[in-house]
Amino acid sequence: SQTIHQWPATLVQPVGSPLSLECTVEGTSNPNLYWYRQAAGRGLQLLFYSVGIGQISSEVPQNLSASRPQDRQFILSSKKLLLSDSGFYLCAWMVTRVPYEQYFGPGTRLTVT
Amino acid sequence: RKEVEQDPGPFNVPEGATVAFNCTYSNSASQSFFWYRQDCRKEPKLLMSVYSSGNEDGRFTAQLNRASQYISLLIRDSKLSDSATYLCVVGERGSTLGRLYFGRGTQLTVWP
Repeated sequence: SQTIHQWPATLVQPVGSPLSLECTVEGTSNPNLYWYRQAAGRGLQLLFYSVGIGQISSEVPQNLSASRPQDRQFILSSKKLLLSDSGFYLCAWMVTRVPYEQYFGPGTRLTVT
Repeated sequence: RKEVEQDPGPFNVPEGATVAFNCTYSNSASQSFFWYRQDCRKEPKLLMSVYSSGNEDGRFTAQLNRASQYISLLIRDSKLSDSATYLCVVGERGSTLGRLYFGRGTQLTVWP
């Protein structure tokens, strides 16, 4: 069966500090991978998606970036965090058959102070 | 215009009640439809996919009306454990990308 991992689970970082969040998927190969952010009281916002190694598409221009160095690894980064980057960051993978549902990792709760 | 709109609630119902959530979507070319459940401070989890003919999973019934671009979720015999936020989710045409659009969620509290 497939499993998706994210770490760290929680993170408190000062404004201006760098960020690196990691997501790994087990039990599937060449998955579509997604990074979402959920701000307090808000819906899920798609940040990045990837259909393969080195292939990253950005949905929202901001100070975040993503990379996919390996088939089942997806990394979200920032060089300098802003207060507005606080939120719940979720990684997801997509099942490659109808109806193409997505499954989420446990998430990283980021607080920028 | 939001892609997916839901009544945010909150819905507060007693155990055993029947409760219905509604959702509308704006893109008539949408191809896949889901309900997810999100517990407080947890990740969303797939509750059920929604098919054109309607489908049922135990106490949960989902229906889709493509003509009206409307999706519903009915929960019968509510349990305390049903308390959560329910997200209506719509997928666009094009399985390669798998782009999903999430509603903001409807909050449900079931009280004893």
